[in-house]
Amino acid sequence: AQSVTQLDSQVPVFEEAPVELRCNYSSSVSVYLFWYVQYPNQGLQLLLKYLSGSTLVKGINGFEAEFNKSQTSFHLRKPSVHISDTAEYFCAVGGDTGRRALTFGSGTRLQVQP
Amino acid sequence: NAGVTQTPKFRVLKTGQSMTLLCAQDMNHEYMYWYRQDPGMGLRLIHYSVGEGTTAKGEVPDGYNVSRLKKQNFLLGLESAAPSQTSVYFCATSPTGAYEQYFGPGTRLTVT
Repeated sequence: AQSVTQLDSQVPVFEEAPVELRCNYSSSVSVYLFWYVQYPNQGLQLLLKYLSGSTLVKGINGFEAEFNKSQTSFHLRKPSVHISDTAEYFCAVGGDTGRRALTFGSGTRLQVQP
Repeated sequence: NAGVTQTPKFRVLKTGQSMTLLCAQDMNHEYMYWYRQDPGMGLRLIHYSVGEGTTAKGEVPDGYNVSRLKKQNFLLGLESAAPSQTSVYFCATSPTGAYEQYFGPGTRLTVT
């Protein structure tokens, strides 16, 4: 069984400040980890993914995430946010080789203020 | 190249009515999924398909049926809609050999 916990439901931050969105997971199989972004009234867009290899993963729009196996975490970071980063962010875990479905966290709403 | 499209974008149903949501993809992906998104609950898997002619239940399948008669289409049916099915529904696809999924724009369904 797999599960994902996103510890913060909302994160307010000022423009140009750094941000970290936290994600912890549990899984009984090898994991593949993802961050998705959802802008208002849109579908989910893949930000970045960890499948194997380097634990620091870079994605689109200047985001990066670090896979920490010992802490079972995959936190998302950006050194300087823009107003346009205001959106909901979802962490997801995969690894069930049968159906290849993802298990999603409940989401973190990032609110960037001027 | 449209990617993943969903029809309709919005729908309002009365309790007991039926409807079908259509997901279409032009990416030739084998795997297709239907999720529902509710506030504070992330996305939950309703049904999925690992290839043409196959379907299987996800986490929350009750009240829904699906069919995948053609590789590019995945239909989600509600036989007798209930207010608890008010939600935003997302279709996603995934290619063989990959885990990442590609999402459609969603269908917002309200059941009164």
